[in-house]
Amino acid sequence: QKEVEQDPGPLSVPEGAIVSLNCTYSNSAFQYFMWYRQYSRKGPELLMYTYSSGNKEDGRFTAQVDKSSKYISLFIRDSQPSDSATYLCAMSARGTGRRALTFGSGTRLQVQP
Amino acid sequence: EAQVTQNPRYLITVTGKKLTVTCSQNMNHEYMSWYRQDPGLGLRQIYYSMNVEVTDKGDVPEGYKVSRKEKRNFPLILESPSPNQTSLYFCASSAGTGIFGDGYTFGSGTRLTVV
Repeated sequence: QKEVEQDPGPLSVPEGAIVSLNCTYSNSAFQYFMWYRQYSRKGPELLMYTYSSGNKEDGRFTAQVDKSSKYISLFIRDSQPSDSATYLCAMSARGTGRRALTFGSGTRLQVQP
Repeated sequence: EAQVTQNPRYLITVTGKKLTVTCSQNMNHEYMSWYRQDPGLGLRQIYYSMNVEVTDKGDVPEGYKVSRKEKRNFPLILESPSPNQTSLYFCASSAGTGIFGDGYTFGSGTRLTVV
């Protein structure tokens, strides 16, 4: 079993829809949770970064962490065609000594105009 | 512009022919790392470096070497490439703030094909 599970999609939604992207994980030591966006032929870029449980909002994006369920989510409101990309969740535990991030395999999102 | 620069973007080579993928960052970051990305497996860490002359293995180091002689550069070396090293490679860097989980800045990737 992978440490981080993420549905690969593709997830296809109409423009303006609310998108929900999710990851589950098994390592209870994870404390830092991130979402990266990766456009085709590009490197991942950091979207959201949260520590421990709770919500964090940044514009149209909201990240949620539920450590009791080992479940994290990224919500995108008023989705746009420019949001079409692969979304990767990533997480790490304090004290790994090598600052390693464990990534999900990514969910491909397509927002139809 | 703050960035991580990888070269080349695309590379096709033959089994056993040594190659080097270069990585350079202009942000004075202490931490640098190499990842490979494969379908269904996500990003997996190959090697990392906490600072100059300090390198260590990640999750999938077999068949790879790295060096960190200067802070800005972190080349990935494949001494004898094999077809199972065909992959998309990313270099990443991060500021050494001591807070684990800092976001990484990634390069644009190097697509390597070994035939």
